[in-house]
Amino acid sequence: DTAVSQTPKYLVTQMGNDKSIKCEQNLGHDTMYWYKQDSKKFLKIMFSYNNKELIINETVPNRFSPKSPDKAHLNLHINSLELGDSAVYFCASSPRSNQPQHFGDGTRLSIL
Amino acid sequence: AQSVTQLDSQVPVFEEAPVELRCNYSSSVSVYLFWYVQYPNQGLQLLLKYLSGSTLVKGINGFEAEFNKSQTSFHLRKPSVHISDTAEYFCAVSDHGGSEKLVFGKGTKLTVNP
Repeated sequence: DTAVSQTPKYLVTQMGNDKSIKCEQNLGHDTMYWYKQDSKKFLKIMFSYNNKELIINETVPNRFSPKSPDKAHLNLHINSLELGDSAVYFCASSPRSNQPQHFGDGTRLSIL
Repeated sequence: AQSVTQLDSQVPVFEEAPVELRCNYSSSVSVYLFWYVQYPNQGLQLLLKYLSGSTLVKGINGFEAEFNKSQTSFHLRKPSVHISDTAEYFCAVSDHGGSEKLVFGKGTKLTVNP
């Protein structure tokens, strides 16, 4: 059973489009995260939710909107995609703050 | 705010040789420290963590790391590497204040050659 699963694995789309990435965890964790990994492999946190409540928003453009319908799901919607949004987006979860985070396999987003 | 410096972007070694991947951090408060590994086209997998207690921590796949508070370091070591250890390794830090986020270093690409 996959602990943290993301869909889709690959996403190729054109500039200006709107797209969503879904994330689900079956670990019973309270906290979920979105990270962005750029072409140089640098990982940076974007958002964190604890029990459906937003607790971290790291100066991400407001074209990015996370949504957590329940504590097992954290989706990422991106409006008006730009070339610079091309990256690998990772979802992660942890049982509580400062416990190790479990990562999904990533969604590779390519903007044409 | 915390920051993490991984001093080597690439480390090539021969199979069965020892390896050390260096990590230094900066923080004004006490921290938790982690090492993650990323194999090609995969997510990150936790290798080991330091939360408290013994400063020498052992992880999976024969890796270990030592927390040195005075030198603000958390270097990763393995006495004998295998081809399968070829991957990207990330050091990360989070603070005791419960900020909920991990701050990552820029990664070290370990390449094990036959």
